[in-house]
Amino acid sequence: GDSVTQMEGPVTLSEEAFLTINCTYTATGYPSLFWYVQYPGEGLQLLLKATKADDKGSNKGFEATYRKETTSFHLEKGSVQVSDSAVYFCALRIYGGATNKLIFGTGTLLAVQP
Amino acid sequence: DAGVTQSPTHLIKTRGQQVTLRCSPKSGHDTVSWYQQALGQGPQFIFQYYEEEERQRGNFPDRFSGHQFPNYSSELNVNALLLGDSALYLCASSLGGSSGNTIYFGEGSWLTVV
Repeated sequence: GDSVTQMEGPVTLSEEAFLTINCTYTATGYPSLFWYVQYPGEGLQLLLKATKADDKGSNKGFEATYRKETTSFHLEKGSVQVSDSAVYFCALRIYGGATNKLIFGTGTLLAVQP
Repeated sequence: DAGVTQSPTHLIKTRGQQVTLRCSPKSGHDTVSWYQQALGQGPQFIFQYYEEEERQRGNFPDRFSGHQFPNYSSELNVNALLLGDSALYLCASSLGGSSGNTIYFGEGSWLTVV
């Protein structure tokens, strides 16, 4: 079945360090890919998305490129801030027919220290 | 423009009891989905409502049921609560059933079963 695998956390970085959170997926169709962020005590917020192969999603300094050949959608940021501390979820969604649900990975906790 | 709103924010129930959670979708949205997020896990799809009907269902027992009202708001009901039902329940809304429109999440209802 369709699934998403994320690198396990926690990821602990110093402020201004480079961030990579790995995400790979398995899908029978042609999924759209998403990164959601969950700040402490809050719901999910859409961070970025990509709808087809080679698309790059970007927002707030975060980027991720849809790599069909490696079935990956790794999240990157060049310089993290303390305010980026949160749980990051990679997710996929396959459109068409009656299917319209998101399938999430288990999440990666990012802790940024000053 | 109000986003997705959920109530209550937190609640505690005893095993065997029943609970009802409520959700108002983002203005203009007609599709509501419910997700369960256990501690340390990614959200899992429960079901989706569109045009007042359950359109899709995830791998959850019949103890989980829902309803959508003519104003598109929705309820999630869980009967015969188990300790394992303790989780954050997230409501998500979008426009157009199984279309590819963006899904927005509420901040969730924290359910603790004791």
